[in-house]
Amino acid sequence: DGGITQSPKYLFRKEGQNVTLSCEQNLNHDAMYWYRQDPGQGLRLIYYSQIVNDFQKGDIAEGYSVSREKKESFPLTVTSAQKNPTAFYLCASSMGQGVSDAFFGQGTRLTVV
Amino acid sequence: AQSVTQPDIHITVSEGASLELRCNYSYGATPYLFWYVQSPGQGLQLLLKYFSGDTLVQGIKGFEAEFKRSQSSFNLRKPSVHWSDAAEYFCAVAPPGSARQLTFGSGTQLTVLP
Repeated sequence: DGGITQSPKYLFRKEGQNVTLSCEQNLNHDAMYWYRQDPGQGLRLIYYSQIVNDFQKGDIAEGYSVSREKKESFPLTVTSAQKNPTAFYLCASSMGQGVSDAFFGQGTRLTVV
Repeated sequence: AQSVTQPDIHITVSEGASLELRCNYSYGATPYLFWYVQSPGQGLQLLLKYFSGDTLVQGIKGFEAEFKRSQSSFNLRKPSVHWSDAAEYFCAVAPPGSARQLTFGSGTQLTVLP
C-alpha cells in the first residue's frame, strides 16, 4: 500500500540532545512537508521541499534542520537550539508543488524530559 | 498575509443532529480552501477542497462545505452526525494558483453525544 510512514510514533529526548524524526513516502510525490502541532493551535509549517536536494524554511524553522537526499525521504532534526520542542510533528507529501492533495503521516509525538 | 479563524474551539452535538463548523478567512483574493479531519493521535485526512466553480462542495463521509465570498467563509456541514465523526476539524487556506503552503485554523473539537 502506498502511503507515508513516520517513525517513531512516540519519542522522548533529554534536554540538550538532538533528535531526528523519520518520514518516508512511497507515493512518488515530489513535495514533502513538516508541520508542528501544539494543543489548541493549528499546524504550523516548519520546512518544505519541492524536489530532491532542495528545501525551504517555513514559518517556524528556527531550531530545526532537514535534508532531502532521496525523493522518498525527508527527515527532520530537532536540535538543542529549539527552545520548546515538545509537540506533535506531522509529515506530509504531495504531487507537484501544491498541497491540494497532500497525504499526511500518522505523526510523531516528541516529549522532552 | 493569509489567516484562518475557526471561532468555535469545541462543539457538542447529539448523534443524528445536524452540524455546522464555521471557518472565516482573510485574504486579498479567493484562496484555495480546505477542510481536514484529525482523529486523536493521527494524521490529517482531507475531507474536501474548493478551488473555483460551484460554491457548494461535496466531500467524503457525507460532509459538504459552502464558500461564501461576501462573508469570507467556508463553513463545513453535515445533515446527520454519526458517533464516528467525533474528531478535530481544521480549516485551511492556500494562495490561489499555487497551493504551496497551507495556513491552518486552530481547529474545532467535535464531541458527539449518544
